[in-house]
Amino acid sequence: NAGVTQTPKFQVLKTGQSMTLQCAQDMNHNSMYWYRQDPGMGLRLIYYSASEGTTDKGEVPNGYNVSRLNKREFSLRLESAAPSQTSVYFCASSGSGGIRYAQYFGPGTRLTVL
Amino acid sequence: GESVGLHLPTLSVQEGDNSIINCAYSNSASDYFIWYKQESGKGPQFIIDIRSNMDKRQGQRVTVLLNKTVKHLSLQIAATQPGDSAVYFCAENIGDYKLSFGAGTTVTVRA
Repeated sequence: NAGVTQTPKFQVLKTGQSMTLQCAQDMNHNSMYWYRQDPGMGLRLIYYSASEGTTDKGEVPNGYNVSRLNKREFSLRLESAAPSQTSVYFCASSGSGGIRYAQYFGPGTRLTVL
Repeated sequence: GESVGLHLPTLSVQEGDNSIINCAYSNSASDYFIWYKQESGKGPQFIIDIRSNMDKRQGQRVTVLLNKTVKHLSLQIAATQPGDSAVYFCAENIGDYKLSFGAGTTVTVRA
């Protein structure tokens, strides 16, 4: 039981390049989330998927897109990376019943945009 | 060791002492709260949660206290160990499927 896994662990992009961050969970959770973590800003929600087939914007969605590929997988895409997107990205999942169940986090992807 | 006031970014505690980490939350309607631990270079790790119909909940070496009157949450760690050195976050639900996270308190355990 691996929990929440994320790939890649590290990535360096040039401004304007695109990439997709992958996330998978093996806990049979309905809901999945993408956060970014910046020094002094805490965790901020980018997008979430309450259940398979649905996605919604969070606090900071601009510059990102997401795909809920199936119940296990939730990807985050940067179409044209900008230096302001340099951050640590975390994927999380939670069980049925929505927010009343704790969110469990992956190990993170450390992204640098030059 | 204890972080006092609404929030202190750092807390230094002697190994073996008890730690108290404080958190103020903003939404009176929040009915679910979580404490997370984040070690350097890792993702946040669930420690313990509490629902608003409870005042106290205990886990292994940890206790969470909830005071809804003053919108205050605290995490107590008994007999603090070097492995407890990390950043601790509180989180509150702010609506379906969403959590709001505090900025975090860095706990350093002195040998």
